[in-house]
Amino acid sequence: NAGVTQTPKFQVLKTGQSMTLQCAQDMNHEYMSWYRQDPGMGLRLIHYSVGAGITDQGEVPNGYNVSRSTTEDFPLRLLSAAPSQTSVYFCASSPRVIATPLSKNIQYFGAGTRLSVL
Amino acid sequence: DQQVKQNSPSLSVQEGRISILNCDYTNSMFDYFLWYKKYPAEGPTFLISISSIKDKNEDGRFTVFLNKSAKHLSLHIVPSQPGDSAVYFCAASPRGTKAAGNKLTFGGGTRVLVKP
Repeated sequence: NAGVTQTPKFQVLKTGQSMTLQCAQDMNHEYMSWYRQDPGMGLRLIHYSVGAGITDQGEVPNGYNVSRSTTEDFPLRLLSAAPSQTSVYFCASSPRVIATPLSKNIQYFGAGTRLSVL
Repeated sequence: DQQVKQNSPSLSVQEGRISILNCDYTNSMFDYFLWYKKYPAEGPTFLISISSIKDKNEDGRFTVFLNKSAKHLSLHIVPSQPGDSAVYFCAASPRGTKAAGNKLTFGGGTRVLVKP
């Protein structure tokens, strides 16, 4: 009953360090997305993927890289962390085939990774 | 410029009374709207949604109203319960392919406190 699993839950980085935020889902969902949440800004889309091998940019992609080699995993890479990337990061997934019209575009979120860049 | 706005950052309501959360949008391409609920240290969870072809959708204590001409939607919670205390996000999805529809645009959130 795992759903969307994000690791780590917390991370502190120094400016310039690199790291990868992990995201895995066990629901066989084709679509996966990364969002960041900042106070008063809601959640903003960073990158998304419609299937293995296919990724695209969202609203705030600068400073982040993604790849999707399997259906289950969608890691987010910070190549050179900056203080502006201090945020809470959420991974989400959704199925390509919807069960009912009312379940259209519903995304299932992980518990988040809280990242601080000093 | 935020395309989805929730102008009330917080709301306090007495248990048993109605909670009304508001959301405005500017992009005419949005055709599907969702409300998510978020507890501290957890991810957002889906609450209720509405398509632009409808003006109302109801699910138990939760009702969402959509006014397309005003580009405004609201979420009503009746009656409010202490367990409803959380942050609520409004989100919008553009028309187009299923893949495009997955690009959700979120409002800034409204923190609801239900007092016993």
